[in-house]
Amino acid sequence: DIVLTQAPLSLPVALGQPASISCRSSQSLVYQDGTTFLSWLHQRPGQPPRLLIYKVSQRFSGVPDRFSGSGAGTDFTLKISRVEAEDVGIYYCLQTTQFRTFGQGTKLEIK
Amino acid sequence: QVQLVQSGPEVKKPGASVKVSCKTSGYPFTSYFVHWVRLAPGQGPEWLGIINGHGGYTAYAEKFRGRVTMTRDPSTSTIYMELSSLRFEDTAVYYCARANLGDSDFDYWGQGSLVTVSS
Repeated sequence: DIVLTQAPLSLPVALGQPASISCRSSQSLVYQDGTTFLSWLHQRPGQPPRLLIYKVSQRFSGVPDRFSGSGAGTDFTLKISRVEAEDVGIYYCLQTTQFRTFGQGTKLEIK
Repeated sequence: QVQLVQSGPEVKKPGASVKVSCKTSGYPFTSYFVHWVRLAPGQGPEWLGIINGHGGYTAYAEKFRGRVTMTRDPSTSTIYMELSSLRFEDTAVYYCARANLGDSDFDYWGQGSLVTVSS
């Protein structure tokens, strides 16, 4: 099974400052057609997760452009250019290249 | 707009079964699969499996094979997930999510259904 490891697990960030979350996979996430199926989700307290980024860097509909995804192979990063209050919550990476597995989550809080 | 509306909270005893529903709307039911995912306290999300709205094809995570059954009712655009032989560690919030395979997978989510296993 593919294992996704996120870092850090806790991320205190001041409003207006940038934030970065890493997701490392135990094996390559490149599918046989060359596509890499790595997504990022955000869960606010008391709400279901919502899709932010799919296929490494594609922003889902309605997601602000302060969110960006990058990476290749086994190493991926989610960046928030300027953190806003509504960005608090838990961020998960998710791979759908081989079955589906999630990272353990990174909790972002306002410093 | 795409919506997935789940059934309410459940409290079950160990060894019992629970059946959670997910009523979909706003998209062609038979054109998409639906995932089931659970979130237990203090843990990362776990994928339970997937079902096709068209023909009912299913694929289950190995961990849950033999205990989980996913079904669908095209007449009401509803997906069901039944988990049997419940254990205390099955206490979690269970979510359905639309599968947009090969593209923006997990693009729309239900609100979640809390299942509590307690004696």
